[in-house]
Amino acid sequence: DQQVKQNSPSLSVQEGRISILNCDYTNSMFDYFLWYKKYPAEGPTFLISISSIKDKNEDGRFTVFLNKSAKHLSLHIVPSQPGDSAVYFCAAIRTGNQFYFGTGTSLTVIP
Amino acid sequence: DADVTQTPRNRITKTGKRIMLECSQTKGHDRMYWYRQDPGLGLQLIYYSFDVKDINKGEISDGYSVSRQAQAKFSLSLESAIPNQTALYFCATSEGSGREKETQYFGPGTRLLVL
Repeated sequence: DQQVKQNSPSLSVQEGRISILNCDYTNSMFDYFLWYKKYPAEGPTFLISISSIKDKNEDGRFTVFLNKSAKHLSLHIVPSQPGDSAVYFCAAIRTGNQFYFGTGTSLTVIP
Repeated sequence: DADVTQTPRNRITKTGKRIMLECSQTKGHDRMYWYRQDPGLGLQLIYYSFDVKDINKGEISDGYSVSRQAQAKFSLSLESAIPNQTALYFCATSEGSGREKETQYFGPGTRLLVL
């Protein structure tokens, strides 16, 4: 049972435009959410996180939004750069328990 | 130097062979994890350890075993490898409990092919 879902396997965006990556979850007990970025032949690297007590967290070009009522989070990248081309995984956790990862979205930023 | 290292990076083995994948970390984290990634399935948890004396099964532990030799070392063994264990394997660490401390940091991965 996939508790964290990324329904878009891929996304293409022009350089300089906004990239929006989406993630849905089913378990209302999740209270912490993370985004990871993965380049080929490398492990996932932590990008940004958000606690369930917030609805927005920003770090430079990256902003994560959380809509608890819809059980939905999104990652916004503005402006998108070619170096952002990677696979992005969302993850959710109920504090003290295991991570649940989405299946990933492959982002391509076109120069 | 990388904080989380995995050896080997690539491995080809035959059905029925026993193999070990190793993970070392210099982050000083107590918690360590083993995941596998299959195309289209994201990351699935195999085993995790919250300290040297604590080992727990994840969602797909059948066919695998682990050993936590020290705080910094966590090994994954395939007792008798089978072709559907062909996958990308990742080790990860986290500091401890409580939101930010549960953020996991990943090694570069081991690509395993079982013939």
